[in-house]
Amino acid sequence: QKEVEQDPGPLSVPEGAIVSLNCTYSNSAFQYFMWYRQYSRKGPELLMYTYSSGNKEDGRFTAQVDKSSKYISLFIRDSQPSDSATYLCAMSADRGSTLGRLYFGRGTQLTVWP
Amino acid sequence: ETGVTQTPRHLVMGMTNKKSLKCEQHLGHNAMYWYKQSAKKPLELMFVYSLEERVENNSVPSRFSPECPNSSHLFLHLHTLQPEDSALYLCASSQDLAGPLLEKLFFGSGTQLSVL
Repeated sequence: QKEVEQDPGPLSVPEGAIVSLNCTYSNSAFQYFMWYRQYSRKGPELLMYTYSSGNKEDGRFTAQVDKSSKYISLFIRDSQPSDSATYLCAMSADRGSTLGRLYFGRGTQLTVWP
Repeated sequence: ETGVTQTPRHLVMGMTNKKSLKCEQHLGHNAMYWYKQSAKKPLELMFVYSLEERVENNSVPSRFSPECPNSSHLFLHLHTLQPEDSALYLCASSQDLAGPLLEKLFFGSGTQLSVL
């Protein structure tokens, strides 16, 4: 069983739509959850991170973690064509060790059309 | 621009060739990483360097050989690769190795490698 499952899409939505991106995981020790955004022909960039369960909001983006269900989500409100990218979830159990113990999902390719 | 520069952007090589990927970070970071990104697969960590010392090697085949001559530069030497090694190779850096919420990973744009 993969550590992190993420539907690769592609997902195509009209401008202004609410987008929901999700990942599930199997390791109950994961405590740190991140979302990276990767534009075409670019490297990933950290978009949001959360610790343990709960919600975190940053502008049009909301990250949600449900540890009881081992399920994390990223919501994008009022989506824009500039949000078109691949979104990768990542998670870790370790706080004090190397970033090498980050487990990534496969990424979901999102297109927002005008 | 993220401050992490990778060259070349694209590379096509035969299975008997020897080539090197280069990464340079202008951020004053102490840790550097090589990741492999294959189509429809998760990012795979290959190597981690901290202050020019290798601290992690995730069972990577010996046909991949990293080199970190100083904290700003990282190389990945390639020889006798296989077609299944075709992928996007990403370099990243972080200030230190303190952990995923304390340290932000900065990625380069990657080298798209095709092995024929």
